Amino acid sequence: DVKVTQSSRYLVKRTGEKVFLECVQDMDHENMFWYRQDPGLGLRLIYFSYDVKMKEKGDIPEGYSVSREKKERFSLILESASTNQTSMYLCASSFESTEQPQHFGDGTRLSIL
Amino acid sequence: AQSVTQLDSQVPVFEEAPVELRCNYSSSVSVYLFWYVQYPNQGLQLLLKYLSGSTLVESINGFEAEFNKSQTSFHLRKPSVHISDTAEYFCAVSDRGDDKIIFGKGTRLHILP
Repeated sequence: DVKVTQSSRYLVKRTGEKVFLECVQDMDHENMFWYRQDPGLGLRLIYFSYDVKMKEKGDIPEGYSVSREKKERFSLILESASTNQTSMYLCASSFESTEQPQHFGDGTRLSIL
Repeated sequence: AQSVTQLDSQVPVFEEAPVELRCNYSSSVSVYLFWYVQYPNQGLQLLLKYLSGSTLVESINGFEAEFNKSQTSFHLRKPSVHISDTAEYFCAVSDRGDDKIIFGKGTRLHILP
């Protein structure tokens, strides 16, 4: 069965901290995505990657960066966490073609105090 | 740019009653269409998809959606809902050849006993 694993379900950090959210997939997917989900706003794409060491900005990249050193792992980095980054973060992966559906992890609920 | 509109943020419906969740997208170019479901405290799961061919697509748990090109719609229907259908439903669209999927803001389905 396909699996996307996010390292933490819940995370609490302080303003100004550097925060790492990790995502691993075991399906040999080329594409990986990071979204944030907020009530009434749906899913908004932060960054995506279509290959190792490749990254593309999504709709709301400000305040975030990403790293993809291995095909199976895609990390989201909050360089200096702020309270407006409190949110649910969802990682997804898919095969190269967009006719293939995205597979999602269970999400990380991040609170910045 | 492609966009997706889910007209209802919340839909209450009595158990065993029919339901329709509405979805419209902006562009009439060749598209792939998806419905995802998110149960409480979980990530998104693919419910059904339209890629080509028959405009009526079905899921294994009784949902169906119909692609209507002239109205740029992909409404989701179920003839009789169950309490277990309580979830948030997201419509999504991708333009053929694009790397990204655009998600709607979601419709929360409340099943009333």
